[in-house]
Amino acid sequence: GAVVSQHPSRVICKSGTSVKIECRSLDFQATTMFWYRQFPKQSLMLMATSNEGSKATYEQGVEKDKFLINHASLTLSTLTVTSAHPEDSSFYICSASGGQPYNEQFFGPGTRLTVL
Amino acid sequence: AQSVTQPDIHITVSEGASLELRCNYSYGATPYLFWYVQSPGQGLQLLLKYFSGDTLVQGIKGFEAEFKRSQSSFNLRKPSVHWSDAAEYFCAVGKGGGADGLTFGKGTHLIIQP
Repeated sequence: GAVVSQHPSRVICKSGTSVKIECRSLDFQATTMFWYRQFPKQSLMLMATSNEGSKATYEQGVEKDKFLINHASLTLSTLTVTSAHPEDSSFYICSASGGQPYNEQFFGPGTRLTVL
Repeated sequence: AQSVTQPDIHITVSEGASLELRCNYSYGATPYLFWYVQSPGQGLQLLLKYFSGDTLVQGIKGFEAEFKRSQSSFNLRKPSVHWSDAAEYFCAVGKGGGADGLTFGKGTHLIIQP
């Protein structure tokens, strides 16, 4: 199956700093990428949907100025958590869809963000 | 808005026994339904999906699921579990196509007893 990578897998930062997370589709072109957030022992919550070359669409309640998403190419999307605070600590997971029949989403391994 | 309910937070099953994980969804139209498995340190892996057609869907690793429209359910089953099946299982619903994100249930943690 298609492979999606995320970098870094873990990041620890100080409160007030910004952190960038990369999501790459390694062997297919991803027309659409999604960013999810998963709290400990809870479900994944969709944060935003991004299409290559377009502005991301954010879910209700997600601050677009805090979670900046860029989908500049068909293989790369980035999520930047700006001015991170401890409450932003979470597991961030991306997925990518390449336009196959029924457009299956392929998930990355996730990035654990800890804000001190 | 769509929603997914997985009523069982934890399930413990003996190795070799059968398994059924429950999933109920709420969606106004024909849903796209998925089951994913998440193991520690790994990304979500798709077990199976239902879009249309035969309501009994076969997946990987010996799993199957049955779509029952009248009960708004999409329960996951396996006739004989292996210790390696211990993981977190998520049911998800999509509006259709890859242009829409998925709505996930809270997950069921599967524990396998020797």
